[in-house]
Amino acid sequence: AQKITQTQPGMFVQEKEAVTLDCTYDTSDQSYGLFWYKQPSSGEMIFLIYQGSYDEQNATEGRYSLNFQKARKSANLVISASQLGDSAMYFCAMRGRTDSWGKLQFGAGTQVVVTP
Amino acid sequence: GAGVSQSPSNKVTEKGKDVELRCDPISGHTALYWYRQRLGQGLEFLIYFQGNSAPDKSGLPSDRFSAERTGESVSTLTIQRTQQEDSAVYLCASSSQGNSYNSPLHFGNGTRLTVT
Repeated sequence: AQKITQTQPGMFVQEKEAVTLDCTYDTSDQSYGLFWYKQPSSGEMIFLIYQGSYDEQNATEGRYSLNFQKARKSANLVISASQLGDSAMYFCAMRGRTDSWGKLQFGAGTQVVVTP
Repeated sequence: GAGVSQSPSNKVTEKGKDVELRCDPISGHTALYWYRQRLGQGLEFLIYFQGNSAPDKSGLPSDRFSAERTGESVSTLTIQRTQQEDSAVYLCASSSQGNSYNSPLHFGNGTRLTVT
């Protein structure tokens, strides 16, 4: 079975600083996708960034980048120049063939609080 | 276009009663998913529909839970004889390609179910 691990339950970061959120995964699949979602206190789940297992370059979307280290099975999210609006829960997720494509597996999440 | 729509947004019910939760996916999305999120926790996969294929029901926690989907449109999640441990936010998501590892899920705002 696939498994996602987020070891940081909570983090404080100062405004304008960068923050790295850790995510490691375990899978025997060769083809898989890695996703990061943001969940503010309002509860909505917002898709941030995607990385495919065969992508050679790290994904970037604005202030979000994904530090993908395939051999280490890690997919850390980097948020540059943090803003107060970045305060939220962040979930790492993956999907692959083993658990059926539909079963997007989520980690436990990391709560980020951005301080002025 | 419109995003994933869920109704009701909030539901309070008495223990033992049945409830129905509704999800309208994004138009044209062939895949539809239900997840459960208990307070302060991550997302728990419940069920996945992809086109006309048999749904993946492997995440349904008991036979009190069932879900249906009409073609590639509306889905209803039914919980019979509700228990207090069913209290959670039920999130619906859709994606344009359920059988592709690089297709992100787009989530609705969820239904907050409280069983008293």
